[in-house]
Amino acid sequence: NAGVTQTPKFRVLKTGQSMTLLCAQDMNHEYMYWYRQDPGMGLRLIHYSVGEGTTAKGEVPDGYNVSRLKKQNFLLGLESAAPSQTSVYFCASSGLTGAGETQYFGPGTRLLVL
Amino acid sequence: RKEVEQDPGPFNVPEGATVAFNCTYSNSASQSFFWYRQDCRKEPKLLMSVYSSGNEDGRFTAQLNRASQYISLLIRDSKLSDSATYLCVVNSDPDKLIFGTGTRLQVFP
Repeated sequence: NAGVTQTPKFRVLKTGQSMTLLCAQDMNHEYMYWYRQDPGMGLRLIHYSVGEGTTAKGEVPDGYNVSRLKKQNFLLGLESAAPSQTSVYFCASSGLTGAGETQYFGPGTRLLVL
Repeated sequence: RKEVEQDPGPFNVPEGATVAFNCTYSNSASQSFFWYRQDCRKEPKLLMSVYSSGNEDGRFTAQLNRASQYISLLIRDSKLSDSATYLCVVNSDPDKLIFGTGTRLQVFP
């Protein structure tokens, strides 16, 4: 039982390049979330999904897109990376009732945009 | 005003000490409250949920004061392994959580 996994663990991009971060969970969870964590800012919600085929904006969605084509996967895309997107990205999932339940986090992806 | 506010610390305490963290939240409609623990360069993990009547899990005690909109975490008999950042977490609506910026705890021998 792997829980929540994230790919890649670390990436360096140049300004303007694109990339996709993959999150996968094997707990059959309905809810999935993408956060970014920056020093002094805490975890901020980028986008989230309440079920397969659904997505919604969080607190800081600009510059990112997401897709949830399969229940177990939640993809985060950066179409044109900017230095301000240098951060640690965490994916999380939770069960049936969203914010009332424990969120399980992946190990994070460290992204550096030059 | 931030939705969830915590003292960033660090709190430096000796082994065996008792330490308490407080957290305030702004949304009076919040229904779910948690403490998460995050080790350096690791992902956050649930430490404990916080219930209206207060709850205890071993050396950890969580309290909720709805009238004053604050949550507390008490750690008794601190261990070196308790050194971490403690995140106060509150739901902002039925689907989403708001994370505080965390309080750093360093336990020394």
